[in-house]
Amino acid sequence: GESVGLHLPTLSVQEGDNSIINCAYSNSASDYFIWYKQESGKGPQFIIDIRSNMDKRQGQRVTVLLNKTVKHLSLQIAATQPGDSAVYFCADFTGGGNKLTFGTGTQLKVEL
Amino acid sequence: GAVVSQHPSRVICKSGTSVKIECRSLDFQATTMFWYRQFPKQSLMLMATSNEGSKATYEQGVEKDKFLINHASLTLSTLTVTSAHPEDSSFYICSAEHGHNQETQYFGPGTRLLVL
Repeated sequence: GESVGLHLPTLSVQEGDNSIINCAYSNSASDYFIWYKQESGKGPQFIIDIRSNMDKRQGQRVTVLLNKTVKHLSLQIAATQPGDSAVYFCADFTGGGNKLTFGTGTQLKVEL
Repeated sequence: GAVVSQHPSRVICKSGTSVKIECRSLDFQATTMFWYRQFPKQSLMLMATSNEGSKATYEQGVEKDKFLINHASLTLSTLTVTSAHPEDSSFYICSAEHGHNQETQYFGPGTRLLVL
């Protein structure tokens, strides 16, 4: 079936470095993508979103890139901090629907 | 921002008993709420869509008679795990759709269920 998946299950970075978390999606009809951060024992927290008519969107310390040609999106976190340690999920909405499909998640570990 | 709460935050029950989990939108009305289940080290899997005033829509493979959903008001949806078994132990998360914007969902903090 259609799915959203991630390449790397665990990513370790040094504090202060930039982090890049990747996500591949298979549904070419997906037109809206969201990145979520989930800390241990908590619900997902919205980070940033992007629509399919864009290829880049920036927030505070975060940037999402969308490559529709290869159905790939990435989340870049600048100057990674210990508080960024969490599991990051990409998720997508298929056009016309209100159901979110979550990717498999990447555990980001920030080393001091 | 919009806040969604869940109660209880964690619950331990004996096998064969039923457990009710509440999901509330605290400062907005939610016609539609969603229930997810998340096993350790795994992603969120949508279980069902809860619609105020009508029957819930269940995803394929989710037993509607085991996971009873009631959405009696615009701010409350409940999920009852009936005759719980150890394999039902999981993290249950709800989300609420804000107004009529289908793309805006706010997530609750989750409920940890442990069935002994």
